[in-house]
Amino acid sequence: AAGVIQSPRHLIKEKRETATLKCYPIPRHDTVYWYQQGPGQDPQFLISFYEKMQSDKGSIPDRFSAQQFSDYHSELNMSSLELGDSALYFCASSLLGGVNTEAFFGQGTRLTVV
Amino acid sequence: KNQVEQSPQSLIILEGKNCTLQCNYTVSPFSNLRWYKQDTGRGPVSLTIMTFSENTKSNGRYTATLDADTKQSSLHITASQLSDSASYICVVSAGDYKLSFGAGTTVTVRA
Repeated sequence: AAGVIQSPRHLIKEKRETATLKCYPIPRHDTVYWYQQGPGQDPQFLISFYEKMQSDKGSIPDRFSAQQFSDYHSELNMSSLELGDSALYFCASSLLGGVNTEAFFGQGTRLTVV
Repeated sequence: KNQVEQSPQSLIILEGKNCTLQCNYTVSPFSNLRWYKQDTGRGPVSLTIMTFSENTKSNGRYTATLDADTKQSSLHITASQLSDSASYICVVSAGDYKLSFGAGTTVTVRA
């Protein structure tokens, strides 16, 4: 079965550069969540989208922006990268509705800022 | 304030021993609660999902319980194995379909 696809899997950027992370949800899933997990840290919710509209916002820096496109894939744009942005970025997707809604996670994108 | 609190933050157990992780939530209204296992550097994988009417659910050596009245859940790992070393994340879904994530409990199983 198709899973959540994230690309790239690994990314190395220099300070002050820009990075774009992509997330392709499971087909027919209408909701996407983005999480940031720094080395040895707890996962931090960044932002979520439902039906291409932002549904919830967490600790996402102003330097970051995200959107969900008509095909439901989502992109997380990160500008003016800082060393502290180095982390594993997870995307999850779900199909809302029903009591057994399941959220599936991608393998993550490891961003290293040097 | 995080609406899903997990405890302990981390724990170390010996191989073959049992352990119990706790999850307390204030999310309301409640739709379902899930436990995920996250291996280092990989995406979380679902272990169990429980709805309001379910008190316990097992998945192999993992058993989750839910008390919807006290808004508490636990994940019990029986006869731990080295491969159980991971972070375990509690996720609660509210009636408006939002997901609230706990910070996770890091379990280290030692031989």
